[in-house]
Amino acid sequence: SSELTQDPAVSVALGQTVRITCQGDSLRSYYASWYQQKPGQAPVLVIYGKNNRPSGIPDRFSGSSSGNTASLTITGAQAEDEADYYCNSRDSSGNHLRVFGGGTKLTVL
Amino acid sequence: QVQLVQSGAEVKKPGASVKVSCKASGYTFTSYYMHWVRQAPGQGLEWMGIINPSGGSTSYAQKFQGRVTMTRDTSTSTVYMELSSLRSEDTAVYYCAREIVVVVAAEKMWYFDYWGQGTLVTVSS
Repeated sequence: SSELTQDPAVSVALGQTVRITCQGDSLRSYYASWYQQKPGQAPVLVIYGKNNRPSGIPDRFSGSSSGNTASLTITGAQAEDEADYYCNSRDSSGNHLRVFGGGTKLTVL
Repeated sequence: QVQLVQSGAEVKKPGASVKVSCKASGYTFTSYYMHWVRQAPGQGLEWMGIINPSGGSTSYAQKFQGRVTMTRDTSTSTVYMELSSLRSEDTAVYYCAREIVVVVAAEKMWYFDYWGQGTLVTVSS
């Protein structure tokens, strides 16, 4: 089965730009989706596909993909963006399996 | 509006089984695949498996093969996740999540658009 690798923790100064990455072989075939999770809450979708934001997600969130790496970028990070972020993709085997990255804890300083 | 409402918290002894439900409303139940995801305390999200509410077919993560069973009841728009031979490491919040498939610029994309509120399962002697 596939694996997705994320940095465990990243920090960013308030108002600055931060990139969170996700690496894995399955990303050569499938786009990642990105989820934000705050303590005690269910995950919330922030980016899907190449660079698509669901309704209600601020446009400071964007996504990109190259080779085996997907990236989530927050341009002008806000205090409320402090959360855990997870990438998810289909398994590279081509069946219905899915896989999550280990998650990145974002701290806004 | 779309809602996924899960059953309440459970406390189980090691070796027992637990069955968590996820009742869907606000959309055509059989038109969207449903997934189960769990999160142990202080840990990340872990994908467990998928069920097609239309035909009932399932696929499970290898880690849970033989211990997990996902079923559905179309008459009540409810999916179930049963995990057997529980051990302390199964203590976690279990979520159901609806999958949506979209095509954008001829590219197919899959993602989870709605999540249940989560069900805490505690395994303790």
